[in-house]
Amino acid sequence: AQSVSQHNHHVILSEAASLELGCNYSYGGTVNLFWYVQYPGQHLQLLLKYFSGDPLVKGIKGFEAEFIKSKFSFNLRKPSVQWSDTAEYFCAPSYNNNDMRFGAGTRLTVKP
Amino acid sequence: DAGVIQSPRHEVTEMGQEVTLRCKPISGHDYLFWYRQTMMRGLELLIYFNNNVPIDDSGMPEDRFSAKMPNASFSTLKIQPSEPRDSAVYFCASSLGAYGELFFGEGSRLTVL
Repeated sequence: AQSVSQHNHHVILSEAASLELGCNYSYGGTVNLFWYVQYPGQHLQLLLKYFSGDPLVKGIKGFEAEFIKSKFSFNLRKPSVQWSDTAEYFCAPSYNNNDMRFGAGTRLTVKP
Repeated sequence: DAGVIQSPRHEVTEMGQEVTLRCKPISGHDYLFWYRQTMMRGLELLIYFNNNVPIDDSGMPEDRFSAKMPNASFSTLKIQPSEPRDSAVYFCASSLGAYGELFFGEGSRLTVL
């Protein structure tokens, strides 16, 4: 069965620390991969996406993610987090939007 | 464009009452999705429409839930009768094409007492 796993439920970092949020999926074949972010009290917004090509994808606000096919992973990274990055982050693999499944989410708290 | 517009933003109702949530997708988008977000189950896809036609409603939890899309600019999600376990944030999202970016509304927070 298709599934997505986000390893960390809640991550707490200080400003300027580096961030890596794990995401593993179990999908056969070719999948598209997304990270969405939900700031407190707001709706989900697309952070970045991977369809094909360079496995290192750069998104908004300095975020990037690396697709490692052999590990079925699509980890999200940011070299230096800011207080404004406090949010919940969702990994979402899919063949298309019709079957997009969101991970449980990782709550990131950045301490000023 | 104003984005995906949902109403109401907050709804508090009593068990047994009918609840109707509304969504206006982004103009020109041909896919519309309804999601439910809870602490226990995360984000779940309830139903989606393509060109106003319901394609997959397998995520709808029970017959108490129904959704319609009478035209390209309006969709409703109805719960009748509502129960406390329906308390959640309900998101509507739309996209252009099956692979386009999903644009989410602000959500409707439902509390059933």
